Amino acid sequence: GAGVSQTPSNKVTEKGKYVELRCDPISGHTALYWYRQSLGQGPEFLIYFQGTGAADDSGLPNDRFFAVRPEGSVSTLKIQRTERGDSAVYLCASSLFGGALYNEQFFGPGTRLTVL
Amino acid sequence: DAKTTQPPSMDCAEGRAANLPCNHSTISGNEYVYWYRQIHSQGPQYIIHGLKNNETNEMASLIITEDRKSSTLILPHATLRDTAVYYCIVRVSETQGGSEKLVFGKGTKLTVNP
Repeated sequence: GAGVSQTPSNKVTEKGKYVELRCDPISGHTALYWYRQSLGQGPEFLIYFQGTGAADDSGLPNDRFFAVRPEGSVSTLKIQRTERGDSAVYLCASSLFGGALYNEQFFGPGTRLTVL
Repeated sequence: DAKTTQPPSMDCAEGRAANLPCNHSTISGNEYVYWYRQIHSQGPQYIIHGLKNNETNEMASLIITEDRKSSTLILPHATLRDTAVYYCIVRVSETQGGSEKLVFGKGTKLTVNP
């Protein structure tokens, strides 16, 4: 079946611009996660949705970052007033449900964001 | 979540077993050990998880010491396609007072050589 998909695969923007990154989770998965990965580092957690609500947004670095999942499926990560330090690969993952004793997360290929 | 320690890099000959160690000396009783890997330019991929007992699936085996302070991921017959960064993560679920997020370290860069 289809895995997690993310669009665009690459995004180049200028400092100060607004960007939106989209994630399509695996059908039927209720939990969705956003991570970002800088060069040479492991992925870093940003936010976790259970259904439509953000259950844990403790990883969002500041108020320029916002994510939504209005219908409990597709999610959009929104970054306002982008800065060069926001350049990274943004990864989305989904799992069947959150809160299980153990929980396999399925990752998408990521969106590479470059802020010039 | 407990922290994990992994060697930054390892090499393995194609066809041989790759044994990747992970130290998690501060692991708590209800934390699971997970292994993910990330092939270049792809998202991380789940490999295996375990709590106390050794586990095996079609990809790998996971050996957890009796005191649970360390574990070893074993790829029994490594291929060139197994070249990747391997991450060892310990986590307890949200319903048990933990978090749903995965906390990645820098992992071990495994290079399988022909």
